[in-house]
Amino acid sequence: QKEVEQDPGPLSVPEGAIVSLNCTYSNSAFQYFMWYRQYSRKGPELLMYTYSSGNKEDGRFTAQVDKSSKYISLFIRDSQPSDSATYLCAMITGANSKLTFGKGITLSVRP
Amino acid sequence: KAGVTQTPRYLIKTRGQQVTLSCSPISGHRSVSWYQQTPGQGLQFLFEYFSETQRNKGNFPGRFSGRQFSNSRSEMNVSTLELGDSALYLCASSLQAGGQETQYFGPGTRLLVL
Repeated sequence: QKEVEQDPGPLSVPEGAIVSLNCTYSNSAFQYFMWYRQYSRKGPELLMYTYSSGNKEDGRFTAQVDKSSKYISLFIRDSQPSDSATYLCAMITGANSKLTFGKGITLSVRP
Repeated sequence: KAGVTQTPRYLIKTRGQQVTLSCSPISGHRSVSWYQQTPGQGLQFLFEYFSETQRNKGNFPGRFSGRQFSNSRSEMNVSTLELGDSALYLCASSLQAGGQETQYFGPGTRLLVL
């Protein structure tokens, strides 16, 4: 079993839909959780960064962490065609550890 | 501020050859990490350098190596290329070392091994 599992894609939604992207993990030592967005032919860019369990909101994006269930989610409200990209979850155990990524899910938002 | 730059952007090599990829971090950033991205395995950590020292290493064979120069620029080398080394190689820079630091990724070098 991989340390981080991400829902397989691709995912296609109409503009304005609410999108839910999910990752589960097996290593209970993971403490920091991130979501990256990667556009075609570009490197990933950090979208959200959370430490504790609960919700963190930034505009149309909400990151949710449930450490007891080892489950993280990214919600996108009022999705736009410009949100079409690959979304990767990532997590680390501590300050000096390496980032472990999910495989990523490709999202397409149809106008 | 200029972002992370990687050269070359695209590369075609044949099995058995070796390749060197270059990464210039954001000015002032001292940490550079390298990743391999493939459709099958996703993004996998290769190694991290900080102040010219390797701080962390992923689970890749010794054919994969890297170094960092005093100006924080970094290179990674892959010797005796195999078909499975075809991938997008990404580097990321951050101010300080450690995975918890915000990492800024370059556009990557796409390597095709024939």
